[in-house]
Amino acid sequence: GDSVTQMEGPVTLSEEAFLTINCTYTATGYPSLFWYVQYPGEGLQLLLKATKADDKGSNKGFEATYRKETTSFHLEKGSVQVSDSAVYFCALSGKGYSTLTFGKGTMLLVSP
Amino acid sequence: GAVVSQHPSWVICKSGTSVKIECRSLDFQATTMFWYRQFPKQSLMLMATSNEGSKATYEQGVEKDKFLINHASLTLSTLTVTSAHPEDSSFYICSAPEGQADTQYFGPGTRLTVL
Repeated sequence: GDSVTQMEGPVTLSEEAFLTINCTYTATGYPSLFWYVQYPGEGLQLLLKATKADDKGSNKGFEATYRKETTSFHLEKGSVQVSDSAVYFCALSGKGYSTLTFGKGTMLLVSP
Repeated sequence: GAVVSQHPSWVICKSGTSVKIECRSLDFQATTMFWYRQFPKQSLMLMATSNEGSKATYEQGVEKDKFLINHASLTLSTLTVTSAHPEDSSFYICSAPEGQADTQYFGPGTRLTVL
């Protein structure tokens, strides 16, 4: 079945550092790929998405490129801020357009 | 953006009792809602798809008689954990798509602790 694997956290960075959170997936067909973010005490929010190979999703300085050849969707940001501290979930939509399969989540902690 | 609420945010109950969790779409209508369960340091696992006006669709391995889902209106779905036991303790999260099918809005979750 479909699965998503993302790097374990926590990831601890200083403000303005470069961020990469790795995500790889296994799926039949051509899934859509997503990054969701969960800030403390809040629900999951869609951060960005890509629906086909080589698409790049971007939002709030975060980017991720759909790499079919490596089945990856790594999340990057050039300069993180303290306010980016949250848990980040990689997910795919495979069977059934709205059904999501999530990775375990990666906690990001950014210090001043 | 669209907002989904859940109530209660946390609940503690005794073993053998039933607990109802509500999921509401506050500013949009949702014919479909999803219920997830999350264990500590684990993925969100889809439990069931709640369909307004019809029966819920449960994922393999989820006991439908234990986790009763009712989608009574276009803005409300409820999950009732019947005869709860300590192993049912978990974080339950709902979501609903609005507009484009691949954009889901999530509730803040409900922490259930069964003693």
